[in-house]
Amino acid sequence: RKEVEQDPGPFNVPEGATVAFNCTYSNSASQSFFWYRQDCRKEPKLLMSVYSSGNEDGRFTAQLNRASQYISLLIRDSKLSDSATYLCVVKWAGNQFYFGTGTSLTVIP
Amino acid sequence: EAQVTQNPRYLITVTGKKLTVTCSQNMNHEYMSWYRQDPGLGLRQIYYSMNVEVTDKGDVPEGYKVSRKEKRNFPLILESPSPNQTSLYFCASSLRAGPRTGELFFGEGSRLTVL
Repeated sequence: RKEVEQDPGPFNVPEGATVAFNCTYSNSASQSFFWYRQDCRKEPKLLMSVYSSGNEDGRFTAQLNRASQYISLLIRDSKLSDSATYLCVVKWAGNQFYFGTGTSLTVIP
Repeated sequence: EAQVTQNPRYLITVTGKKLTVTCSQNMNHEYMSWYRQDPGLGLRQIYYSMNVEVTDKGDVPEGYKVSRKEKRNFPLILESPSPNQTSLYFCASSLRAGPRTGELFFGEGSRLTVL
């Protein structure tokens, strides 16, 4: 079983749509959780950290459910510029980071 | 400008010819790490370093070596490259090591092909 699993998509949504991605992780002792964004052939960049209480940054909302070991990302009012691959990242003790394979999003005009 | 710099960005080499991919960061970060990214497998951690002279294996360390003699540099060494090491490699750094460390700053990536 992979440490972090994501639906690879692709998700093709019209501008203005709301889209949600989920991610599950295998290690119940995981310490920290993040969403990164990766544009085609570019380096990943931090989109947001995910806190137990849930957190929001503009049109983006992240949730963590430790009991079920899943993380979600909600994007509201999708923009063309949101088209990218979204990576779910889990950090274990000992500074080992595990990345999901990514979920591909294309926002269509 | 704060950045992580990798070199070379692109390299084609042959099996068995030793190579080094350099990584340098100018943010005074303690934590540095190397990843490889392959289709369908995502990013996998090769090695990481929490500070000078401290390195640890990640998920896929076989066939790689690293060193951390200076805080800013963390080179990745392939002593005898093989075709299964053909991949896109990323170096990353972070300000602090510890449970809340999260924001990894990545280099632009090094695309390596081993023939």
